[in-house]
Amino acid sequence: AQTVTQSQPEMSVQEAETVTLSCTYDTSESDYYLFWYKQPPSRQMILVIRQEAYKQQNATENRFSVNFQKAAKSFSLKISDSQLGDAAMYFCAYSIGGSNYKLTFGKGTLLTVNP
Amino acid sequence: KAGVTQTPRYLIKTRGQQVTLSCSPISGHRSVSWYQQTPGQGLQFLFEYFSETQRNKGNFPGRFSGRQFSNSRSEMNVSTLELGDSALYLCASSPDRADYEQYFGPGTRLTVT
Repeated sequence: AQTVTQSQPEMSVQEAETVTLSCTYDTSESDYYLFWYKQPPSRQMILVIRQEAYKQQNATENRFSVNFQKAAKSFSLKISDSQLGDAAMYFCAYSIGGSNYKLTFGKGTLLTVNP
Repeated sequence: KAGVTQTPRYLIKTRGQQVTLSCSPISGHRSVSWYQQTPGQGLQFLFEYFSETQRNKGNFPGRFSGRQFSNSRSEMNVSTLELGDSALYLCASSPDRADYEQYFGPGTRLTVT
């Protein structure tokens, strides 16, 4: 069974600083996707960034980037120039290629941004 | 385009009752997935519907069921409610089953007393 582990229940960062959230996963599949979702206090889950396992290049979306280490099964999220609006619960998630309707989530990391 | 909507947003039920939650996907989306979110277990996949058929089901008892209508709207039903069913129930939609991005609704907060 696939598992996703987020070892940091809580993290905090100063506004304008950089923070990295960790995620490891376990799978025997070769075709899979990895995601970071953000869930602000309003509860609406939003996709932050995704990574296809077959792509070696790390995904980047504006201030958000990932460090995808396939051999180590590691998928960390780096948030640069942190903003107050980045405060949220962040979930790392995994899906098997072609079955992206079924996400396996980690337990989440609560990110606090201090002004 | 309107986002995914879920109704009701909050619900309080008594143990033993049943409940029906509704999810309206984004227009044109045919796949609807349901998730249960609790502090202890986190986010867990319940089931997915595509073209009015349940295509995949997570590890939940038969008290959890659902359906999808021809307009892709979906409902989930929980019968004989237990205290442990208290959770945030999220639905997500995507255009197709292989699409990598799921769009989530705001959720229905169910409290069982």
